[in-house]
Amino acid sequence: SSELTQDPPVSVALGQTVRISCQGASLRSYYANWYQQKPGQAPILVIYDKMKRPSGIPDRFSASGSGDTASLTIAGAQADDEATYYCNSRDSSDNLYVFGPGTEVTVL
Amino acid sequence: EVQLVQSGTEVKKPGESLEISCEVSGYSFTNYWIAWVRQMPGKGLEWLGLVYPGDSDTRYSPSSQGRVTMSVDRSSGTAYLQWSSLKAADTALYFCARVNMLTGHYFDYWGQGTVVTVSS
Repeated sequence: SSELTQDPPVSVALGQTVRISCQGASLRSYYANWYQQKPGQAPILVIYDKMKRPSGIPDRFSASGSGDTASLTIAGAQADDEATYYCNSRDSSDNLYVFGPGTEVTVL
Repeated sequence: EVQLVQSGTEVKKPGESLEISCEVSGYSFTNYWIAWVRQMPGKGLEWLGLVYPGDSDTRYSPSSQGRVTMSVDRSSGTAYLQWSSLKAADTALYFCARVNMLTGHYFDYWGQGTVVTVSS
């Protein structure tokens, strides 16, 4: 089955911009989605179909992608954005869906 | 409002059986697949499988095939994840999520999670 790799933990100063990436062969065929998870809570969908934002998600969250790489950008990071962010996509193997290992984002 | 509400924390012994549930509301239960996702302590998210409430069709990940059973009760709008013989390695936080396939495939609504602890 395919794997998705993500950046190691990152930190961002309050109000600054951070970009995290996700890489994997499945992204050449399928859209990337991004989820935010805070400790002890369920994940929340923040980006779907590579760059669409669900209603209620602040517009400081944006995403892009090309080839086997997808990126999530938080512009003007807020304290509330401190979380682990997981990318995910479909997969063409028996493992129909795959998640990346997550990137922990700390807002300083 | 779409909601997925999961059953409460479980503490079991190895070899015991278990069923956890995910009751949905706010949308047509039979129109969307339900996914189960596992998060082992301190680890990331892992997709376990899907169940389609419309006809109870299932898809399992290679790692969960034969280890768990996914089912639904259409009358109550509830999806279930079952184990016949738990192992310590099943200790994890389990989420159900609605799978939206209208465009791409993504998990748009999640349950709050069910903690399962398996220990002798």
